[in-house]
Formats: sequence, C-alpha cells, structure tokens
Amino acid sequence: GESVGLHLPTLSVQEGDNSIINCAYSNSASDYFIWYKQESGKGPQFIIDIRSNMDKRQGQRVTVLLNKTVKHLSLQIAATQPGDSAVYFCAEILNTDKLIFGTGTRLQVFP
Amino acid sequence: DARVTQTPRHKVTEMGQEVTMRCQPILGHNTVFWYRQTMMQGLELLAYFRNRAPLDDSGMPKDRFSAEMPDATLATLKIQPSEPRDSAVYFCASGFGQGVLYFGPGTRLTVT
Repeated sequence: GESVGLHLPTLSVQEGDNSIINCAYSNSASDYFIWYKQESGKGPQFIIDIRSNMDKRQGQRVTVLLNKTVKHLSLQIAATQPGDSAVYFCAEILNTDKLIFGTGTRLQVFP
Repeated sequence: DARVTQTPRHKVTEMGQEVTMRCQPILGHNTVFWYRQTMMQGLELLAYFRNRAPLDDSGMPKDRFSAEMPDATLATLKIQPSEPRDSAVYFCASGFGQGVLYFGPGTRLTVT
C-alpha cells in the first residue's frame, strides 16, 4: 500500500505494553478534540473524541486525557497490538466545523 | 456500510495538465472537506462546504485550485494548471458538522 512517507516522531513499543501518544494543541478556544489513526495507504480513521468540558474519556482499549491548562491531549492504548501500528493524529475543532490536524506520531509495535 | 468514496485513487499527469478529483460523501452528511497530505505539511485543510455552500477555501491556492459541489452526492477538486508541487494525497471527508469527519481513501496525485 502507499504511504505518504511522513517525517514524524516515532514511538516504538513492545506488543502487550501500553502506549501513550501526546499532542499539544494550539487554540485555547477549541472545544472539541478527536484522535485519528491512519494506516498506510488509507485515510484517517476515527478512534475517540472528547469535548472541552471533560478531562478524560475511555473507549475500548483507548483513553483520551485532556489538560486544558497546558493545552495538551494524550491517547493511551492499553495492551498494544501489532494492528495498532499506524500514524496517530490529534485534531481540534476551531470556529464551528473546521477540523485542524496536528503533525502526527508514528506508532511502531514490535514483538 | 456507508463510506466516502474518491476517484481516481491514483493519478499521474504532466505539469500544466488539468486534474479533477471526485468525492462522493456519505449520504445524509451535510459537511464536506478537502484535505491535502504531504511529507512536509502533514494534513492541510484546503476547503470545506456545509449544505453544498463553500464556507472556507482559505487553504487553497486560488489561482489554480477550485472546489465545487454540483449536488449533494458529488464534490470535486480541480487543479488547472497542475504543478509538480501539487503532488500529494488528496483526501475528502464528510460529516454532520462540529463532529467527527469520515475520510475517503484518498487520491494520490503525481505531477511530473
């Protein structure tokens, strides 16, 4: 499959360990945040979202934490699996509909 | 299984040629976005529509790019004339507004 070959920070984790991917956002007025996963040759895929009136939200094996004081988001993946290998983007909503993406982090899972 | 579709998946063209990329958003979604992904810039927002009306195309080079929604089932992104620096993957995404966007598989454009 294709890859855009992004020059990204990379996180390498062993299968079964927990992963933490961090993201700093830019606008203190942003009120909605989304994490996306992008596998090689595919479009970004929704993982989990959080609104600014929350500081934590959990999904299946994933947790998003929001720290509005320092404008920081994190995505925690429990028991990381080979299928989790991908590029992860955080995105913030600015001014109604506009979704603005961060630079992304490449997650590599090794056995 | 509703999904956003994009055509073509790959396009190779020579500098100066016109390129048209098409997108079929998920039925019922009222917002459509065009993003470009490159090695250097990541995912850049080019333009977006709500209820077929263009709301923001500030991310798009206006002299050569144009985006339209002729009807609710079709969005187009046109580049005329194309340049090598336009080489990238172009994604279309749709949603209900102020919420999750669902992305298509992208069109990989190579301009030689």
